[in-house]
Amino acid sequence: EVQLVESGGGLVQPGGSLRLSCAASGFTFSNDEMNWVRQVPGKGLEWISYISSSGGTIYYADSVKGRFTISRDNAKNSLYLQMSSLRAEDTAVYYCGEYSGRIWGQGTLVTVSS
Amino acid sequence: EIVLTQSPGTLSLSPGERATLSCRASQSVSSSLTWYQQKPGQAPRLLIYDASKRATGIPARFSGSGSGTDFTLTISSLEPEDFAVYYCQQRTNWPLTFGGGTKVEIK
Repeated sequence: EVQLVESGGGLVQPGGSLRLSCAASGFTFSNDEMNWVRQVPGKGLEWISYISSSGGTIYYADSVKGRFTISRDNAKNSLYLQMSSLRAEDTAVYYCGEYSGRIWGQGTLVTVSS
Repeated sequence: EIVLTQSPGTLSLSPGERATLSCRASQSVSSSLTWYQQKPGQAPRLLIYDASKRATGIPARFSGSGSGTDFTLTISSLEPEDFAVYYCQQRTNWPLTFGGGTKVEIK
């Protein structure tokens, strides 16, 4: 079965850090470009980061640039998002997804609150 | 940044009716426009890519059209499972951007 499974979400204090993981299975992960997209509950979708299949090309939204780091380990079929200096406005469901849009994870909720 | 404006914000229709959703870009995105469907508590589902190509497994009642700055998603005859929120997305320029969404609700 083709799937992406996120993990690592939870409650964190403002200024804190969190690392999200996304485990891929059922397809050739190493061939695929990947995104992280987030969604504040009840609001729209926001793209936040992209990584090429090799990891050699990376882009970030301005809202997270300098605070979040995307990475991948193709040997482990895994995508990561290291989040630091977290703010209340980073509270959202975080989805990993294939760049083409075909495959999405179920999302993991990150809540930034004291 | 390319801004995508979706209209209307909410569309109230009955099953069997035709739905026409609009997505307008602040500058040309050529045909690099994608449509997603999202239901509560679920991840987005790819419907249409490259403005008019149906994704695998998407019913023929869904169709996309347009190029440049004006795009349309049409659902020819609404089924009960089609009531959801629909988003457009452009992949022409970085940052990737999404429209604000159109909610299709049961009238």
